[in-house]
Amino acid sequence: AQSVTQLDSQVPVFEEAPVELRCNYSSSVSVYLFWYVQYPNQGLQLLLKYLSGSTLVESINGFEAEFNKSQTSFHLRKPSVHISDTAEYFCAVSARGSARQLTFGSGTQLTVLP
Amino acid sequence: EAGVVQSPRYKIIEKKQPVAFWCNPISGHNTLYWYLQNLGQGPELLIRYENEEAVDDSQLPKDRFSAERLKGVDSTLKIQPAELGDSAVYLCASSPGSSGSTDTQYFGPGTRLTVL
Repeated sequence: AQSVTQLDSQVPVFEEAPVELRCNYSSSVSVYLFWYVQYPNQGLQLLLKYLSGSTLVESINGFEAEFNKSQTSFHLRKPSVHISDTAEYFCAVSARGSARQLTFGSGTQLTVLP
Repeated sequence: EAGVVQSPRYKIIEKKQPVAFWCNPISGHNTLYWYLQNLGQGPELLIRYENEEAVDDSQLPKDRFSAERLKGVDSTLKIQPAELGDSAVYLCASSPGSSGSTDTQYFGPGTRLTVL
């Protein structure tokens, strides 16, 4: 079985500042890793995912995450945040070969302040 | 392309009453999921369908919860009777089911249930 720990439940940050949302996972097998974003009153949207290959993955809106196998981490970063990035972010893990069986973390509320 | 549709968006009921949620997945998606999201927590899988077959319902409380996907398209999740602890957001998701192990799940907006 897999598990996910998101170390920060809330992260406030000023606009145009950098941000890192932390995610650590536990698994006895190889994994796929995902970040989902949930805007108020909306469903979860896939932000980015790591399946294989390059350990650094990027989204279309400037976020990136790096898979670190030795530290079992998949932290999400953005060099300069916007007000519109305010949302809840969920890290999720699945066993490799089983992307339909996701285990989610408890989420991190990112609030971007003007 | 339309996304995953769920209705109703909000539901308030008294305890011991029945309630049903409906989900219409993205057209052509074979795999459908129902998740429970409690306040301040991530989604937890209740049941997963491959076409009309429930292939993972180990987390579904079968004494009061039931689900169906009769024609392998839309799905209904029912609670009877509802309890106070069932207050949560019920999310539906779908995935193509044709990408093998790397399916991406697409989520609906959810139904927020309040049990009084």
